[in-house]
Amino acid sequence: DAGITQSPRHKVTETGTPVTLRCHQTENHRYMYWYRQDPGHGLRLIHYSYGVKDTDKGEVSDGYSVSRSKTEDFLLTLESATSSQTSVYFCAISPGTSGSQHLYEQYFGPGTRLTVT
Amino acid sequence: QQQVKQSPQSLIVQKGGISIINCAYENTAFDYFPWYQQFPGKGPALLIAIRPDVSEKKEGRFTISFNKSAKQFSLHIMDSQPGDSATYFCAASKSSSNTGKLIFGQGTTLQVKP
Repeated sequence: DAGITQSPRHKVTETGTPVTLRCHQTENHRYMYWYRQDPGHGLRLIHYSYGVKDTDKGEVSDGYSVSRSKTEDFLLTLESATSSQTSVYFCAISPGTSGSQHLYEQYFGPGTRLTVT
Repeated sequence: QQQVKQSPQSLIVQKGGISIINCAYENTAFDYFPWYQQFPGKGPALLIAIRPDVSEKKEGRFTISFNKSAKQFSLHIMDSQPGDSATYFCAASKSSSNTGKLIFGQGTTLQVKP
């Protein structure tokens, strides 16, 4: 999986609890992304990062926050988990840089299956 | 608002047949159209991609056909094999955003029967 790992791989949590998912890469790529995958919706972008401490929102960012203090780690936090956040979460990295067509070639991690009860 | 619409939702094809998956987009600023393949329990993997300056791109048994005027593009899998059974996603992006943001279709689950 292109030097990208996600942890945990599975998690069950209760409504209202905070949850943090971790994405770790060994490729030293600048761009990283968090997606959620739900049946009938494909993959939807939650947040992305274009460098250390540089992040921006995607199309479904409400209820999520991210942080990137090191190039290799991109954290996704659900401040207070809700049942609607039950999903499979994927992290992706891109070897491209701004202005490069390789920016749109994304490599995905194995995913984290999160269940909020 | 679904900016990229994908069909069919599921597809069953006999071994050796042609699998065809279609996508339509709305935003004329999109200029990069990749396809991803996902096996159960795995993350999506980039399969093939096309830009609107060409009408067709072929890589092995996989071909993307692109119709700019109709704002449609499709994936054709020739001589489909049971190993091609997976979920396929089309996507679109606009390179001018310089963000790498991709808008995905809803996905198509392909089953190739032996």
